[in-house]
Amino acid sequence: GAVVSQHPSWVICKSGTSVKIECRSLDFQATTMFWYRQFPKQSLMLMATSNEGSKATYEQGVEKDKFLINHASLTLSTLTVTSAHPEDSSFYICSAPTTGTEAFFGQGTRLTVV
Amino acid sequence: DAKTTQPNSMESNEEEPVHLPCNHSTISGTDYIHWYRQLPSQGPEYVIHGLTSNVNNRMASLAIAEDRKSSTLILHRATLRDAAVYYCMAGGTSYGKLTFGQGTILTVHP
Repeated sequence: GAVVSQHPSWVICKSGTSVKIECRSLDFQATTMFWYRQFPKQSLMLMATSNEGSKATYEQGVEKDKFLINHASLTLSTLTVTSAHPEDSSFYICSAPTTGTEAFFGQGTRLTVV
Repeated sequence: DAKTTQPNSMESNEEEPVHLPCNHSTISGTDYIHWYRQLPSQGPEYVIHGLTSNVNNRMASLAIAEDRKSSTLILHRATLRDAAVYYCMAGGTSYGKLTFGQGTILTVHP
């Protein structure tokens, strides 16, 4: 089946720094990708829709200037957490739909801000 | 997307069938029913989906009530690797843009 790969799997950064997370569709093209965030023992929450060649669409309450999304090619979307703070520590997950009826998810990136 | 209701947790023994229920009473006629599962520290993975008819695949079966207000995910023989959070969702055709509820934590005992 289709594969979506995220990198890195985990990252620790200092408060105030920025972190970039990559999401790649390995064997299919994705004009749209989705970014989710998951806090411990909670469900996934959609953050934004990443659109190839255009601006991302953010869900209500998600700061677009803090969570920068770039979808520069048909196989790569990046999420940059700018000026990260401890409250940004979370599990970030991307997904990409195929032409079929299922979405494929990356393995997730665990971000810890210290 | 329609609101879904699932039990918080369920338990099963290995090699026994598991029936995971989901209520989606406000589902519209064009909403598909999707099931995903999330293993610990991993991203979700697709399990199965359906519209009106029951569906089978190598992973599971999906039984959809005649009025479509509820569905049941059936794992025919649970294994320890099936221990996960199972999410039921009922939505339109925006595949990939999924609204996750709290899901059902499935524990499988050896």
